[in-house]
This record gives sequence, C-alpha cells and structure tokens, in this order.
Amino acid sequence: QSVLTQPPSVSAAPGQKVTISCSGSSSNIGNNYVSWYQQLPGTAPKLLIYDTNKRPSGIPDRFSGSKSGTSATLGITGLQTGDEADYYCGTWDSSLSGGVFGGGTKLTVL
Amino acid sequence: EVQLVESGGGLVQPGGSLRLSCAASGFIFSRYWMHWVRQVPGKGLVWVSYINGDGARTTYADSVKGRFTISRDNAKNTLYLQMNSLRADDTAVYYCARDSGSVTTFFDSWGQGTPVTVSS
Repeated sequence: QSVLTQPPSVSAAPGQKVTISCSGSSSNIGNNYVSWYQQLPGTAPKLLIYDTNKRPSGIPDRFSGSKSGTSATLGITGLQTGDEADYYCGTWDSSLSGGVFGGGTKLTVL
Repeated sequence: EVQLVESGGGLVQPGGSLRLSCAASGFIFSRYWMHWVRQVPGKGLVWVSYINGDGARTTYADSVKGRFTISRDNAKNTLYLQMNSLRADDTAVYYCARDSGSVTTFFDSWGQGTPVTVSS
C-alpha cells in the first residue's frame, strides 16, 4: 500500500492528451514539492518533473505538472508510442521523515 | 556525465546479510545526499534510506530500520547499504539515486539497479 495514490492504468490514442493523478495528504503533497518519474520497461526510473512543475533539461514540454492542495497531476500531450511506460509521483513526507512514492500508473498508447 | 553503478546484489538466505555498493562518478560526490530506493519486480518504487553529504545524518524507512545501515566513503565516491537479518519481503531491485542538491528533495539521477533475492 503506497502512501500516495495513483490510478493503476490510463490509456489514450496517439496524439491525444492524458492526465495522471497523485493523491496524498498534508504531510506530503500538501506541504512539499512533487516530482514525477518515467520508467520505461526494463529500465531505471528517470526524472520527468521536479518542484511540481519544472522540467529537467531534455524533457519535452509535452510533459507538465501541477498541484492543488494534497493532489498533483502529470499531463502528457501529443502522446507517442514511446511514452508507454510506468509513471510514478514522489515527494517528501514530513511526518515519516522519508521519501514516498505513488504506486505507479501504467500508460498505454493505443 | 553523472553515473551511478550498483553492485553486490544476489541470492541470500533468510536471516542472512548482504552489502550493496553504488559507485558514483561525474559529479562531486561529497556534495550530494544519496538515497536507496527499492522495487519489487512488477510493483512500485519504495524509498529505503538516505544519507547526507558528510555521512553524519541518515534516515530509514520503518520497514528496514534496525536492519539496514546506509553509509558512504567520499574518498572512494561510493555509497553502501549494509543489509542484515534479511527477509523474503526484502526481495527487490535496489537502486541508488542522487538527491537533487537543492532545497527540495527529488531524485535526479538513478543507477541501473542491483537485484536482491532472499530465499532458502
């Protein structure tokens, strides 16, 4: 049981837009920045979004992040087959004094 | 280029011990907090532990507290995870990850992972 809650799966057609939600509490998302990670099959996670809505160098602007209260959202526009992956949200939990992740969302581009 | 290379994983019996290593290169290792994150195959990411730059501060997930010890040798640019009293539910791929170094915590670089299997 993960501290942060994500939908197990989402799907959309190529070229379309999809959003992935991440729900937490005041001890984590509510009072800390959120990061998102992309994990392609058989590979290590890769940083996609940090500080809730910032993209590292090399990440296209098709990927975006936002937060409202104790929930965060990852948005992906112009879906490509290469975006098929597992996506994880993460943040710091002030009560646990440790990192926490969502359970992951599998994106299928139909 | 930042590189993190884990090693030391393998098959160990319940109750046994294992020490993981993470060799870092491409950045000034001592300036960064480092973390261990694990993942059961087919399941999600789980944060395990972190250590600050000089090794004076560490924190652990409750599930490993008292059994795992994180440490670092800044002269060797290497991060360690000593795992004792291993249990079947410790079976996972273990990743080392670099903390961003900014005020906020996020993991900006990851190793390729090393698998640990606890089984008799």
